[in-house]
Amino acid sequence: QLQLQESGPGLVKPSETLSLTCTVSGGSISSSSYYWGWIRQPPGKGLEWIGSIYYSGSTYYNPSLKSRVTISVDTSKNQFSLKLSSVTAADTAVYYCARHDIQLERLDHWGQGTLVTVSS
Amino acid sequence: QSALTQPRSVSGSPGQSVTISCTGTSSDVGGYNYVSWYQQHPGKAPKLMIYDVSKRPSGVPDRFSGSKSGNTASLTISGLQAEDEADYYCCSYAGNYTLVFGGGTKLTVL
Repeated sequence: QLQLQESGPGLVKPSETLSLTCTVSGGSISSSSYYWGWIRQPPGKGLEWIGSIYYSGSTYYNPSLKSRVTISVDTSKNQFSLKLSSVTAADTAVYYCARHDIQLERLDHWGQGTLVTVSS
Repeated sequence: QSALTQPRSVSGSPGQSVTISCTGTSSDVGGYNYVSWYQQHPGKAPKLMIYDVSKRPSGVPDRFSGSKSGNTASLTISGLQAEDEADYYCCSYAGNYTLVFGGGTKLTVL
């Protein structure tokens, strides 16, 4: 059974870089059928797609975040990662990783999410 | 890329039907048959309920159905049950390998 698990610091200082990793188990991140994506949800607010990556390293970003986002993949560890630079309090959110089905454009497996707070 | 528009809240009594709308543009909802819907209970991760406008993943009750007309997609839940009370989000492919979500709708089962 496919599982995704987010990990990383729960507290980041303003202007610094947020870094999270998603570890995939029960399936290969190198599958040609899927992207691997990041989605976030500020407290009490809605979902926002951040971006997705293919196992080859091709990346696709939300235009509104593109200048600050980097998503990378490590197929040897079955992991993919998110970096968000120059964070502010507005970046405080629960960050989810998810499997993004290429053909059906659906997010069919999600991690449990991890809360990242931006505060000094 | 603007968020899709959903009503902030809807409500219904057990056994009734409710419909949640999701309005976008010809660049997202209206341009592709790639609308999905997610259910989110408090403190939990979202769960895929509908994809490709109207298809249900295995395990999702057939009380949940989806449709689309023009730039507006809809999720209908029939035979409301208490456990359906949750937040619901629509999501659409928006071209150039990007996705856009709706603002979310809180469903209250009275």
